Amino acid sequence: DAKTTQPTSMDCAEGRAANLPCNHSTISGNEYVYWYRQIHSQGPQYIIHGLKNNETNEMASLIITEDRKSSTLILPHATLRDTAVYYCIVNNAGNMLTFGGGTRLMVKP
Amino acid sequence: GAGVSQSPSNKVTEKGKDVELRCDPISGHTALYWYRQSLGQGLEFLIYFQGNSAPDKSGLPSDRFSAERTGGSVSTLTIQRTQQEDSAVYLCASSLMPASGNTIYFGEGSWLTVV
Repeated sequence: DAKTTQPTSMDCAEGRAANLPCNHSTISGNEYVYWYRQIHSQGPQYIIHGLKNNETNEMASLIITEDRKSSTLILPHATLRDTAVYYCIVNNAGNMLTFGGGTRLMVKP
Repeated sequence: GAGVSQSPSNKVTEKGKDVELRCDPISGHTALYWYRQSLGQGLEFLIYFQGNSAPDKSGLPSDRFSAERTGGSVSTLTIQRTQQEDSAVYLCASSLMPASGNTIYFGEGSWLTVV
């Protein structure tokens, strides 16, 4: 699976959009981009995934660049409960996910 | 429907004892995964099942660790002769057949403390 690079930490003001970037420059054509988050040491929570097209669900939006070398997870109106570690993962075979260090998002009042 | 269920949610055991951790995957999910996470650390892949077979056992840290899955459903992770370094949260996840694009869902984990 391709490697991903994320900032170690980010801050966001409550009520504002949180934009979390991810670089995956070695992604191959059949690899999906997945986003998970983990609050404290609870089980990772699935957020969204996509292949080529931008995706939106009730939690977030995923914007994938045309060359697919990077993506951005957008939380449109961040709340304090969105404070978590966010993981960007590129996955092909689907037989497991390899978690990196993620981005620690701190939403501040 | 129900998510991935794990038990016990918390377990404190004495060093040298054996422990069993159970995972009930989402109904219909053929793929099942075990991870562990030590305090303040990242997620470490342990083992993966497709049906009842485990094509990838590469992550099991030692021969004290074993896992089985029966009936293509429930899985048990067994740690023999526990050591203090085994203290961690053990996370189970499941998905439909392991094809690209399928979502993997996690349980809330079993917290293991070895004293």
